Amino acid sequence: EAQVTQNPRYLITVTGKKLTVTCSQNMNHEYMSWYRQDPGLGLRQIYYSMNVEVTDKGDVPEGYKVSRKEKRNFPLILESPSPNQTSLYFCASSLRSGRLLYGYTFGSGTRLTVV
Amino acid sequence: ELKVEQNPLFLSMQEGKNYTIYCNYSTTSDRLYWYRQDPGKSLESLFVLLSNGAVKQEGRLMASLDTKARLSTLHITAAVHDLSATYFCAVDVINSGNTPLVFGKGTRLSVIA
Repeated sequence: EAQVTQNPRYLITVTGKKLTVTCSQNMNHEYMSWYRQDPGLGLRQIYYSMNVEVTDKGDVPEGYKVSRKEKRNFPLILESPSPNQTSLYFCASSLRSGRLLYGYTFGSGTRLTVV
Repeated sequence: ELKVEQNPLFLSMQEGKNYTIYCNYSTTSDRLYWYRQDPGKSLESLFVLLSNGAVKQEGRLMASLDTKARLSTLHITAAVHDLSATYFCAVDVINSGNTPLVFGKGTRLSVIA
């Protein structure tokens, strides 16, 4: 089944403790992206990757890191989480040919709470 | 900078009634997407509109795109409780190397008996 898999689904952590949220897709998509969703603010892009070893900042990158060493994986790293990073996180991927973007396939989400 | 505005943000409607959700965007684009999100769940793709005048229908939902007016509509016909969810439109940015989707803030729909 074609899908984007995120782990974990739920995570409670303490301020300053490094964590990684994993994202993997099995559709051979070039484009991957991380969004966070907060009430009243909608979905905001954190980082994106056009292909392996190509990543760039989105609208709200502060406090986050990503890597794209393999096409299928795009982990989100919080080196020193803070309470304002408490949010619902989505990984998304898309097939891309030139400018063409066929819409995203979203992962199931990771609800992160930083205390 | 592309801005995407949805109206209304909250909608409570009775079963059996019709209503339209509007999605306006601020710069040129010819691709628009509608997603549905149930509480605590992921986003599910509903419609992909790829050209001016595009119209797609699935069950009680119909989406259309007017690129000249920079407007998409999501029309709900004879609403049923199962349609209660949050609906997002998202727009693809022309000539952007990033080609992100810029999302509206969502319309939370509640269908009541």
